[in-house]
Amino acid sequence: EVQLVEIGGGLIQPGGSLRLSCAASGFIVSSNYMNWVRQAPGKGLEWVSIIYSGGATYYADSVKGRFTISRDNSKNMLYLQMNSLRDEDTAVYYCARGNYIDVWGKGTTVTVSS
Amino acid sequence: DIVMTQSPDSLAVSLGERATINCKSSQSVLYRSNNQNYLGWYQQKPGQPPKLLIYWASTRESGVPDRFSGSGSGTDFTLTISSLQAEDVAVYYCQQYYAPPLTFGGGTRVEIK
Repeated sequence: EVQLVEIGGGLIQPGGSLRLSCAASGFIVSSNYMNWVRQAPGKGLEWVSIIYSGGATYYADSVKGRFTISRDNSKNMLYLQMNSLRDEDTAVYYCARGNYIDVWGKGTTVTVSS
Repeated sequence: DIVMTQSPDSLAVSLGERATINCKSSQSVLYRSNNQNYLGWYQQKPGQPPKLLIYWASTRESGVPDRFSGSGSGTDFTLTISSLQAEDVAVYYCQQYYAPPLTFGGGTRVEIK
């Protein structure tokens, strides 16, 4: 079964760092475009970052320079390293496959608050 | 960056009636070399992740009921629910994947009148 499971959310203080992980099953992460998409409480979807199968990465302006997307091919995992976290980064973070996104994880909640 | 603008923000439709959601991109998402529009539609119900309904602007994802259809090209797109069912109550989003940063529309909430 094709599945994505996000791990690593939690409560973090402003200025702190957090790493989200996404475990994929049923397909190969490195052969696909993989994204992080977030949704702030009561708000719409916001695309965060993508890593292409060839390794190129792109970011939303709101996280550029603070977040880093990566993958571990041997573990079939996707990651999002989040540094210098701000209140406005509070959201449910989804791991998602594809340029049109056909597989979504259930999401993990990140709360940035003092 | 390509800005996606959806309208309306919300709509209420009677059961069995048609619901129409519009999505406009700030620049064309039609890739001339393959004549494909890089536009998708998603449905999100409360407490759930989004679900892909339509890709390439008009191709229905496997398992999606045929009352959902997508149309349009270039910069103007439409998602139509031909006969609204109770289970279609949700928020609907369009998304362009023509170029990063990939961007979503603001969403349209569909309710029962």
